[in-house]
Amino acid sequence: GAGVSQSPSNKVTEKGKDVELRCDPISGHTALYWYRQSLGQGLEFLIYFQGNSAPDKSGLPSDRFSAERTGGSVSTLTIQRTQQEDSAVYLCASSSRRAYTGELFFGEGSRLTVL
Amino acid sequence: DQQVKQNSPSLSVQEGRISILNCDYTNSMFDYFLWYKKYPAEGPTFLISISSIKDKNEDGRFTVFLNKSAKHLSLHIVPSQPGDSAVYFCAASSSNFGNEKLTFGTGTRLTIIP
Repeated sequence: GAGVSQSPSNKVTEKGKDVELRCDPISGHTALYWYRQSLGQGLEFLIYFQGNSAPDKSGLPSDRFSAERTGGSVSTLTIQRTQQEDSAVYLCASSSRRAYTGELFFGEGSRLTVL
Repeated sequence: DQQVKQNSPSLSVQEGRISILNCDYTNSMFDYFLWYKKYPAEGPTFLISISSIKDKNEDGRFTVFLNKSAKHLSLHIVPSQPGDSAVYFCAASSSNFGNEKLTFGTGTRLTIIP
């Protein structure tokens, strides 16, 4: 497809379960970002990839959160032992330019609900 | 601590009038400021940006004003159209090498009344 694709679009899970969220960036975009938006909050930076490397993981809230990117393309965000405070919309974005240019292309997000 | 603040959660404006959305920031290291627009069930899309070396940037109906001394920026939409109804996020960034992070505000929901 032409845009950033995320799956699943909706995920309901029980507290303590692990979840995986997937992001397919725009072809050729070397930069990939994960953000999340909790209820009533702005978008919160989680992690940035350049190629398969993650130079900035500073936004990951705890060691239950991890992410990887393979082949310079698809990325997976994994949340282990989910907690209710992990409930949020997780947004992936990709770009071929620096973030400050604003030219990030976001997917529609994965809405995670932890019961 | 909220480095980018949008103090108005919502705003309603008559069609054809001017919409003014406001944003304040605290971090003096920010040198680029951006506005994103978000429709329900869609990802945010980039709208307009401004560098800290400017005080105004215009793109069609959209103008962003920056007041560095007050650490304040605003987005003006004129004339407002029904399709402008969306949530608008203010964001800020530093162009320093190695920084790829955008810091977002909490958003303002704009409703244009026909």
